[in-house]
Amino acid sequence: KQEVTQIPAALSVPEGENLVLNCSFTDSAIYNLQWFRQDPGKGLTSLLLIQSSQREQTSGRLNASLDKSSGRSTLYIAASQPGDSATYLCAVSTHLNTGFQKLVFGTGTRLLVSP
Amino acid sequence: SQTIHQWPATLVQPVGSPLSLECTVEGTSNPNLYWYRQAAGRGLQLLFYSVGIGQISSEVPQNLSASRPQDRQFILSSKKLLLSDSGFYLCAWRGWSETGYTFGSGTRLTVV
Repeated sequence: KQEVTQIPAALSVPEGENLVLNCSFTDSAIYNLQWFRQDPGKGLTSLLLIQSSQREQTSGRLNASLDKSSGRSTLYIAASQPGDSATYLCAVSTHLNTGFQKLVFGTGTRLLVSP
Repeated sequence: SQTIHQWPATLVQPVGSPLSLECTVEGTSNPNLYWYRQAAGRGLQLLFYSVGIGQISSEVPQNLSASRPQDRQFILSSKKLLLSDSGFYLCAWRGWSETGYTFGSGTRLTVV
């Protein structure tokens, strides 16, 4: 059974800092890994998608890496801003018994960036 | 472009009342559709998924059911709500040519 763990559970930093969020998963048989952002009371916004054959993806100040063999991914946020405050969720796409796919989520990292 | 709609945004229902949450997708055809629930202090849990009209699979036994009457419509229902059904319900889709997931804005359900 696939399990996804995110560390730390919460993080508070001053504006401008570079930071790293960690995600680990127990089964390396994944199709891809996706990082999401969730604002309080809102749905999920996709940030980055890394295919299982890829090592990293970048979008603006965000960079996500994937080491499938070791079951790890990191999300790097450069020059953090108060608007980055949110919960960040890591999810891996894995197979269902029926052969179709599903996302398995970590419990998230709650980030607070103070001005 | 593809969009996903969910409604209502919030719902307060008494125990024992019925439930119907709707999700529709635009701009794609034959998507894989999913219902997830996020309970307070817990991660997102897959409830149901559907690969086509009338094809529903359940991940966990529960008080809820799902239906897919049209290609781009996914409905989550209950005949009698329990307190434990409270949570944040999210609909998601994954198209055949896409490998990423897109989520709706969610429904906050409080059962009182």
